[in-house]
Amino acid sequence: AQSVTQPDIHITVSEGASLELRCNYSYGATPYLFWYVQSPGQGLQLLLKYFSGDTLVQGIKGFEAEFKRSQSSFNLRKPSVHWSDAAEYFCAVGAIENYGGSQGNLIFGKGTKLSVKP
Amino acid sequence: NAGVTQTPKFQVLKTGQSMTLQCAQDMNHNSMYWYRQDPGMGLRLIYYSASEGTTDKGEVPNGYNVSRLNKREFSLRLESAAPSQTSVYFCASSEGSRQPQHFGDGTRLSIL
Repeated sequence: AQSVTQPDIHITVSEGASLELRCNYSYGATPYLFWYVQSPGQGLQLLLKYFSGDTLVQGIKGFEAEFKRSQSSFNLRKPSVHWSDAAEYFCAVGAIENYGGSQGNLIFGKGTKLSVKP
Repeated sequence: NAGVTQTPKFQVLKTGQSMTLQCAQDMNHNSMYWYRQDPGMGLRLIYYSASEGTTDKGEVPNGYNVSRLNKREFSLRLESAAPSQTSVYFCASSEGSRQPQHFGDGTRLSIL
């Protein structure tokens, strides 16, 4: 069965430091991969997505993610974290083959909460 | 500049009561979604609508019904609320059917 694992429940980084949030997926087919961010009391916002092609994808707010098929990973990175990046981040996977019957059925990870120290 | 609007923002129900959560989007999107978010569980899809008049079950549809009456609105109904349905409910929309793009701010529902 498909699954998404975000190994880190909570990460704290200093403002200006680099950030990497880990995401591993388990899926037998070709995946679509996504990162979302959720600020407290708000809905999710799509940061970036990977469907095919270049394995390094750029997103909004200075984030990027790299798809590594051999490691089944899609880690999110940012070179320099800002205090406003404090939020919860969710990785999600969808299957190309699902876009027919159960369209939109992404599998979400349980999230990584990011705290930023001044 | 509303995007996806959910009402109400908060609600407390007693077990067995019924309720409809409302969702409207003003972006002319075809696809709309209902998710629930529980602590430590991520988001799980309840129902999905690819276009007006069509709906599909997601991962956790039991105990819920939906209506896509027009392109803008997608409502979620709990016919007989149960404590296990205490959750935060998110509505989302997208242009196509690949993934939700825009989320509402959520409805926090408690069932006693």
